[in-house]
Amino acid sequence: KQEVTQIPAALSVPEGENLVLNCSFTDSAIYNLQWFRQDPGKGLTSLLLIQSSQREQTSGRLNASLDKSSGRSTLYIAASQPGDSATYLCISGGSNYKLTFGKGTLLTVNP
Amino acid sequence: NAGVTQTPKFQVLKTGQSMTLQCAQDMNHEYMSWYRQDPGMGLRLIHYSVGAGITDQGEVPNGYNVSRSTTEDFPLRLLSAAPSQTSVYFCASSINRRNTEAFFGQGTRLTVV
Repeated sequence: KQEVTQIPAALSVPEGENLVLNCSFTDSAIYNLQWFRQDPGKGLTSLLLIQSSQREQTSGRLNASLDKSSGRSTLYIAASQPGDSATYLCISGGSNYKLTFGKGTLLTVNP
Repeated sequence: NAGVTQTPKFQVLKTGQSMTLQCAQDMNHEYMSWYRQDPGMGLRLIHYSVGAGITDQGEVPNGYNVSRSTTEDFPLRLLSAAPSQTSVYFCASSINRRNTEAFFGQGTRLTVV
């Protein structure tokens, strides 16, 4: 059974800092891995999708990497801003439609 | 292309009432699913469907019913609402069993009093 773990559960950083959010998974036979952000009381916004054949994806200040052999993905946020404050969710996609969710990292970027 | 549309966004029910949460997608996705999100619990799968006429239970199906008469729609029915069903509900869809990129609706915040 796939398990997805996100560490840390919460992170507080000063504005401008570069930071890394971590996601680990137990079953390396994933089809893809997605990173989402969720603002308080809001829905899930897709940030980056990494297919199993890919090592990383980039969008603006965000970079996500995938290492299936070690069961890890990281989300790198460069030059963090207060607007980046949100909960970041890691979701693995596996065979037979299976999605497995991490519990998220609550990021606070302080001005 | 609207993606995944959920209605309503907010709902307050009295204990024992029934209601249907609507979910529709216009991307011709095979897979649709319902999740509930509770503090500290993450997202938990309620029911899912891999095509019209095919549904199955997820992790927390009790008290909920689903049907999928068309590819586009996947309503979630609360048969007799209980305070324990107070939660945020998300509908999601994916293309097929090999392409599991997930698309989410905006959520329904349900309060049962």
